Amino acid sequence: QKEVEQDPGPLSVPEGAIVSLNCTYSNSAFQYFMWYRQYSRKGPELLMYTYSSGNKEDGRFTAQVDKSSKYISLFIRDSQPSDSATYLCAMSVTSTSYGKLTFGQGTILTVHP
Amino acid sequence: NAGVTQTPKFQVLKTGQSMTLQCAQDMNHNSMYWYRQDPGMGLRLIYYSASEGTTDKGEVPNGYNVSRLNKREFSLRLESAAPSQTSVYFCASSSGEGELFFGEGSRLTVL
Repeated sequence: QKEVEQDPGPLSVPEGAIVSLNCTYSNSAFQYFMWYRQYSRKGPELLMYTYSSGNKEDGRFTAQVDKSSKYISLFIRDSQPSDSATYLCAMSVTSTSYGKLTFGQGTILTVHP
Repeated sequence: NAGVTQTPKFQVLKTGQSMTLQCAQDMNHNSMYWYRQDPGMGLRLIYYSASEGTTDKGEVPNGYNVSRLNKREFSLRLESAAPSQTSVYFCASSSGEGELFFGEGSRLTVL
């Protein structure tokens, strides 16, 4: 079993929809949780970062962490065609190991006009 | 500001050939990383360098070697390429606390 499981999709939604992307994990030592966005033929870029349980909001994006259930989510409100990308969840154990990340498989999202 | 630059962007090798992927960052970051990305597997850490002069194995180091040439440059070498090493390789750098900055990737095919 992978340490981090992410539904690969693909997910296709109409413009304006609310999108929910999810990851589950098995290692209870993970403390730092990130979402990276990767456009086609590009490298991933950091979208959201959270520490511990709770919600974090940034514009149309909300990241949610439930450590008791070992479950993290990313919500995208009012989705736009420009949100079409692969979304990767990532986790690390300590604050100084941000580069030593464990990634999910990535979810391919398409937002159609 | 170039960020993280990888060369080459594309490469085709025959089984048994060797090659080196080059990576350079201009953000004065201490830490650098090599990941590979395969369909259905996400990104997996091959090797990393927490600071100049140090390197450590990641999750999937077999078949690879690395060199931290200086603070800016971190290379990944395949001594005898195998078809299982067909992948997209990403170099990344970090200040050590915070965001990972990735290059655009190097697509390698081993025939």
